[in-house]
Formats: sequence, C-alpha cells, structure tokens
Amino acid sequence: GAGVSQSPRYKVAKRGQDVALRCDPISGHVSLFWYQQALGQGPEFLTYFQNEAQLDKSGLPSDRFFAERPEGSVSTLKIQRTQQEDSAVYLCASSLVPGGAYAQYFGPGTRLTVT
Amino acid sequence: GESVGLHLPTLSVQEGDNSIINCAYSNSASDYFIWYKQESGKGPQFIIDIRSNMDKRQGQRVTVLLNKTVKHLSLQIAATQPGDSAVYFCAENSGGSNYKLTFGKGTLLTVNP
Repeated sequence: GAGVSQSPRYKVAKRGQDVALRCDPISGHVSLFWYQQALGQGPEFLTYFQNEAQLDKSGLPSDRFFAERPEGSVSTLKIQRTQQEDSAVYLCASSLVPGGAYAQYFGPGTRLTVT
Repeated sequence: GESVGLHLPTLSVQEGDNSIINCAYSNSASDYFIWYKQESGKGPQFIIDIRSNMDKRQGQRVTVLLNKTVKHLSLQIAATQPGDSAVYFCAENSGGSNYKLTFGKGTLLTVNP
C-alpha cells in the first residue's frame, strides 16, 4: 500500500512569508509526528498527534510554528513569517498504534529553503 | 569518530566487507533503541530495534548490540552491499514517553564496489 506522502517536496519561501506543509499518513494510522531535520543532523521531534488531538508540541521552536490534524488523518504544519533558520527538511511520520515510538514510518520530507 | 560541526562521521568499506557503525546515546533511562537508514532525498527507514532488557538482536544481515554500562549502541552489517550506502541514525525512546524519539547525529556509510 501507499506510504506516508508529503507535499510539496520542495518549497522556497522569501523571509517573512507564511508556508504550509502537508502530510498524508498511512491510512488508519492513529499517531502522527512531525520532525525537523537540519542539514547534516538527525531529525528533531516537533510535535505528536494521536488522532486529531495534539498531545505534545514541546518541540515546536517558536509560536510561529503551528500544526493541526483536524480530522485525525491529514496534517498540516504551518510556519508563519519564515526566517532563514527555518530552512530544513520537515519530515512527517505515522504509526498504527497510539504512541508508537517503535513503528514510525517516515515520509520523504519537504525541503524548505528560506531566502 | 566524533562529529565536528556539520560534518558527519563517515565510514568507507569495500563491497562484501562487514561494517560496524557506532552510536553513543544520551539518556540512561531510555528503554528502546532503533537504527534507521536514510538515503539521499528520502525519509528514514527502519532497520532494526532493541529493547533495553536485551544486549543483542539479529536481523537479516544486521545485528544490533547494546551496552548499557557505557551507553553505547552499534549496528553491524554483514557482507555490505552498494545499496547499503546511506546515512545511518540511531534513535532512542527516552523514558517518560512512549512516542518521542531522540536521534543521534548519523554516520555516512559509503560502500565501494
């Protein structure tokens, strides 16, 4: 079956613009995660959803970052007033079970470049 | 070796050799560990996992070793193939949450044909 998909795959934004990144998890997966991966680094946790509930947003770098999953399926990560330090790959992962540290399936990521 | 700045530790091996990739983890309370493989332009892909009550686990061509005393994890790949070329990350599930993964810096494995 289809894996996790993300769109767009690449996004170039001018500093100060707002961006929205989409994640389509594997159908039926309860848990959804967003990670930020800077160049040459490992992914860093941003936020976690269980169905439509955002249970942990402790990794979001600032209040310019906002994530939602209104119907417990597709999720959107929104970044307002983008800054150069926001340039990174944003990865989405989903898992069949609640929690699911041990069964996270990752999408290909969205590479955001802020100029 | 240790990473410096943005430079990933690198390991270069010949096709057919065995590879060993090392990882030092940070949290002594972590009870679950995963190795991921990430190819260029793709998301991390699960390879193998191990719980803290084990010290060794084997999969197909891969073995993970866990040394809790020194907080060290290693991934052994047998008969390394060109398709194994990628960046490898270890990740730990820190105590207190059943979902949050903390990733290490990664090691770039290059397999020469």
